[in-house]
Amino acid sequence: GENVEQHPSTLSVQEGDSAVIKCTYSDSASNYFPWYKQELGKRPQLIIDIRSNVGEKKDQRIAVTLNKTAKHFSLHITETQPEDSAVYFCAGGSGYSTLTFGKGTMLLVSP
Amino acid sequence: GAVVSQHPSRVICKSGTSVKIECRSLDFQATTMFWYRQFPKQSLMLMATSNEGSKATYEQGVEKDKFLINHASLTLSTLTVTSAHPEDSSFYICSARGKGNEKLFFGSGTQLSVL
Repeated sequence: GENVEQHPSTLSVQEGDSAVIKCTYSDSASNYFPWYKQELGKRPQLIIDIRSNVGEKKDQRIAVTLNKTAKHFSLHITETQPEDSAVYFCAGGSGYSTLTFGKGTMLLVSP
Repeated sequence: GAVVSQHPSRVICKSGTSVKIECRSLDFQATTMFWYRQFPKQSLMLMATSNEGSKATYEQGVEKDKFLINHASLTLSTLTVTSAHPEDSSFYICSARGKGNEKLFFGSGTQLSVL
């Protein structure tokens, strides 16, 4: 089955800096890679996703890049704000099958 | 985005009792629903996958007789924790996916505390 590794486990940045979270996956058949943001005690919220036929996708301050050859994908957050502080999860799977989640990254943005 | 409602948000029960958690898709038909368990500061641990009208598929190590899952309609799935014990205390969360849609939407979670 799929195995998704996520790094780092915690990330502290100053407000305004950029943050990058990286994930690798093992199954070359995986073609769908979403990112979720989870605030303490709340539900994971889908913030951006990418499919394997696309190398990069951007939505305002958030971008995701995908390298199919190397089997890794990354989340980039620019101009970070304190409200970006949360746990971020990457996931991978083959679209309509079960998604495998990474272990999460706790992002702390200091004012 | 699609809305998934989960109830109750918090439940405290005595050891030995059963607890039912509901997960509803409010504005789409959820052909597949997933149930997860999440420990503090940890990732989502998939417990089972349920497709409407069929038996749930449980992940290895998850007792199907302990965690009963029913997905009787395209908008409702339930998880029943039977004979709950303190070690079952956890944050349980569901997610749902509509037909032909890769996107997964989560319920708000249920914090179960077994005394």
